[in-house]
Amino acid sequence: SQQGEEDPQALSIQEGENATMNCSYKTSINNLQWYRQNSGRGLVHLILIRSNEREKHSGRLRVTLDTSKKSSSLLITASRAADTASYFCATAANYGGATNKLIFGTGTLLAVQP
Amino acid sequence: KAGVTQTPRYLIKTRGQQVTLSCSPISGHRSVSWYQQTPGQGLQFLFEYFSETQRNKGNFPGRFSGRQFSNSRSEMNVSTLELGDSALYLCASSLHRVETQYFGPGTRLLVL
Repeated sequence: SQQGEEDPQALSIQEGENATMNCSYKTSINNLQWYRQNSGRGLVHLILIRSNEREKHSGRLRVTLDTSKKSSSLLITASRAADTASYFCATAANYGGATNKLIFGTGTLLAVQP
Repeated sequence: KAGVTQTPRYLIKTRGQQVTLSCSPISGHRSVSWYQQTPGQGLQFLFEYFSETQRNKGNFPGRFSGRQFSNSRSEMNVSTLELGDSALYLCASSLHRVETQYFGPGTRLLVL
């Protein structure tokens, strides 16, 4: 399967703690995107990191990308109960041309306890 | 700007029927992609349309088809529905290709 893997599958933390999720993928990529999904609803885009970038920040989010290891991590600092959701990484593979085909990871279910 | 909209939001069909789902992208976006989400298989790519042309297709049977209109709105059709087609179908749009994709709320299809 082309699907990426995310780890851990589930994570439970207390409000105010940091949450780290990891993603591994299999192909050469143009970019990697992280999404959040609440209770089977639509996906909310969080951040995009391009293959030539190593780290990116957005508010309480920090994403790293290591293309040599084909892996990425998402750090959410000072978590809130509202951060409770499933988090997915998705890669836009580089087939030698432009493509919008996203290959999603298996997801991490984050539960933030108030 | 209004986000990506999908209609209908919920749908119940029986095996053997066919269904058409609609997606209106964010104004100005030219690329529309479709994904299927199930508990067993996760999120899987169905197809991508750009400028009314299918640019990419996922590993789904020919019963799954789609099209894009000149105003970038897109439809997907599933013929001869099977129980396994029950899923959340998500549509995403982006301004150009290889860019941030913005997802709609999805259409939840239940096949009985």
